[in-house]
Amino acid sequence: DIVMTQSPDSLAVSLGERATINCKSSQSVLYSSDNKNYLAWYQQKPGQPPKLLIYWASTRESGVSDRFSGSGSGTDFTLTISSLQAGDVAVYYCQQYYLIPFTFGPGTKVDIK
Amino acid sequence: EVQLVESGGDLVQPAGSLRLSCAASGFTFSTYAMTWVRQAPGKGLEWVSVISDSGGSTYYADSVKGRFNISRDNSKNTLFLQMNSLRAEDTAVYYCAKGTGRSCFSSSDHWGQGTLVTVSS
Repeated sequence: DIVMTQSPDSLAVSLGERATINCKSSQSVLYSSDNKNYLAWYQQKPGQPPKLLIYWASTRESGVSDRFSGSGSGTDFTLTISSLQAGDVAVYYCQQYYLIPFTFGPGTKVDIK
Repeated sequence: EVQLVESGGDLVQPAGSLRLSCAASGFTFSTYAMTWVRQAPGKGLEWVSVISDSGGSTYYADSVKGRFNISRDNSKNTLFLQMNSLRAEDTAVYYCAKGTGRSCFSSSDHWGQGTLVTVSS
């Protein structure tokens, strides 16, 4: 199984400041045939289902604020929130969908400092 | 508007069975893969199973393989999860989610609100 790790476990950022979350996979999720990274980022607010933010590692889902961006390739990925807003308080998960079983990272909790 | 509504969650005894349903609307159900993901109380997300658009391909997490069965009825726009030999560690909120394409190997762009399964004597 591909093991997904995230760092940090939690972070507190001031309003308007940048938040950066890292995700690492135990093996590459880059598929050579289509040159796509099979990596997604989800946001989950308390009491709500997850929401897709980013897929193919860097493609923003329709309707998602451009303050959210994804980068990385192979085994190392980053989700950046460029200017943290109060509504961004949530747990963020990365997920690989390259190899069965699809696996999620343990989550990173983002709070306001 | 895409809507996914799960049902069937309940309190069940260990070794018991339960069938979850997910009613889909607002999109052409038969052209998208569908996924079940669960979340134990206070814990993270755990991928459970995925089924292709036609139902011809299905995959499972090791933790449920041989006990759970995913299926779909494209004529009724409904996804199912048959859960047998339930264990305490299956206690979780179960979400159904819509894939972004026909293939199982896709992310999930819409999620239901979830249904709670509690396995306890």
